[in-house]
Amino acid sequence: DTGVSQDPRHKITKRGQNVTFRCDPISEHNRLYWYRQTLGQGPEFLTYFQNEAQLEKSRLLSDRFSAERPKGSFSTLEIQRTEQGDSAMYLCASSIVRDTQYFGPGTRLTVL
Amino acid sequence: AQSVSQHNHHVILSEAASLELGCNYSYGGTVNLFWYVQYPGQHLQLLLKYFSGDPLVKGIKGFEAEFIKSKFSFNLRKPSVQWSDTAEYFCAVNGKMDSSYKLIFGSGTRLLVRP
Repeated sequence: DTGVSQDPRHKITKRGQNVTFRCDPISEHNRLYWYRQTLGQGPEFLTYFQNEAQLEKSRLLSDRFSAERPKGSFSTLEIQRTEQGDSAMYLCASSIVRDTQYFGPGTRLTVL
Repeated sequence: AQSVSQHNHHVILSEAASLELGCNYSYGGTVNLFWYVQYPGQHLQLLLKYFSGDPLVKGIKGFEAEFIKSKFSFNLRKPSVQWSDTAEYFCAVNGKMDSSYKLIFGSGTRLLVRP
């Protein structure tokens, strides 16, 4: 399967801890997006990269959140000092510029 | 503000019934429109999309959607549903002039098809 992959699939952490998620996009896709989905809602945009450049961040992305895509391939999303409100599904999607986004399976974060 | 509204949060149908899920959007500009589906335990998958041309779009598994620009709507239809169509359906939009092409999603409609 050459789709978008995400790791881990589930993460349980205690409030105040740092967590990091990884996304591997479809290999030829130069755009990578992060979304967050909470229960009963559709995904909400967090940030996106074109190649290694982070071009836009949502106001949802507080200072505790940081994302990287160092070589224009995989990306990481780090949350520092997690809070219970960070509990959500974190989705990654990739695309060729101005085309359909393909989603990964997501990382479900639970903050206790 | 940019938004997508899906009117039905939960829909229950019997097999062979016809389906129509509503989607309306608010967006200041020309848009691309999408329906994604999430089957139980699986990730979001593209069902169909509209970028331009014929406003009646056909997707996978017998689904279709019609873009009505005057009504800002992109309703999803299927003439005869199957038990395997049980899933959550999300309507989404992005702006053609938005360089990010980020998607704005509705809150989803959970469809349960009874055998």
